[in-house]
Amino acid sequence: AQTVTQSQPEMSVQEAETVTLSCTYDTSESDYYLFWYKQPPSRQMILVIRQEAYKQQNATENRFSVNFQKAAKSFSLKISDSQLGDAAMYFCAYRRAQGGSEKLVFGKGTKLTVNP
Amino acid sequence: DTGVSQDPRHKITKRGQNVTFRCDPISEHNRLYWYRQTLGQGPEFLTYFQNEAQLEKSRLLSDRFSAERPKGSFSTLEIQRTEQGDSAMYLCASSHFQALISGANVLTFGAGSRLTVL
Repeated sequence: AQTVTQSQPEMSVQEAETVTLSCTYDTSESDYYLFWYKQPPSRQMILVIRQEAYKQQNATENRFSVNFQKAAKSFSLKISDSQLGDAAMYFCAYRRAQGGSEKLVFGKGTKLTVNP
Repeated sequence: DTGVSQDPRHKITKRGQNVTFRCDPISEHNRLYWYRQTLGQGPEFLTYFQNEAQLEKSRLLSDRFSAERPKGSFSTLEIQRTEQGDSAMYLCASSHFQALISGANVLTFGAGSRLTVL
């Protein structure tokens, strides 16, 4: 079974600084998708960024970028120029690309605090 | 369209009672998902529908749980004979799936329904 591990239960960053959240996963599949979701205190999950495993180029979305290392099964999220509104729980998630299952497998999350 | 709506947002019940949650997805979305999130954990998949068909169920969905999407629009998740271990946030999500279109099937989540079983 696929598993997703987020080894940092909590992280903090100063406003305007850069922070990197770690995620590793375990799978025997070669084709899959990886996601970072943000869950602010209001509890609605919001997609931050996604990566297709077959793409070597790292995904970027404005201040958010990933470092996808397929061989190492690592998928870290870098937040540049951190803002107070970035404070939230961040979840890394995995989904198979083939085989029909639509199940997203989530890690336990990292709580990010942004200090003014 | 204001996104995925869930009702009620909070439900407190006594052990042994039945509860039902409702989810209204984004109107043009054909897929609807239920996840459960307990304190300190990431969401866990329960089930999903494509239109009115329930296509996948997790082993977490015991016989006390039932989900329906009768007309392919809103969905209900019912928990019978609630137990304290059922206390959690129940998240609904929806997506627009198009076969043969490459790319991840991106989910939009609702704010969740929090269940507390006393």
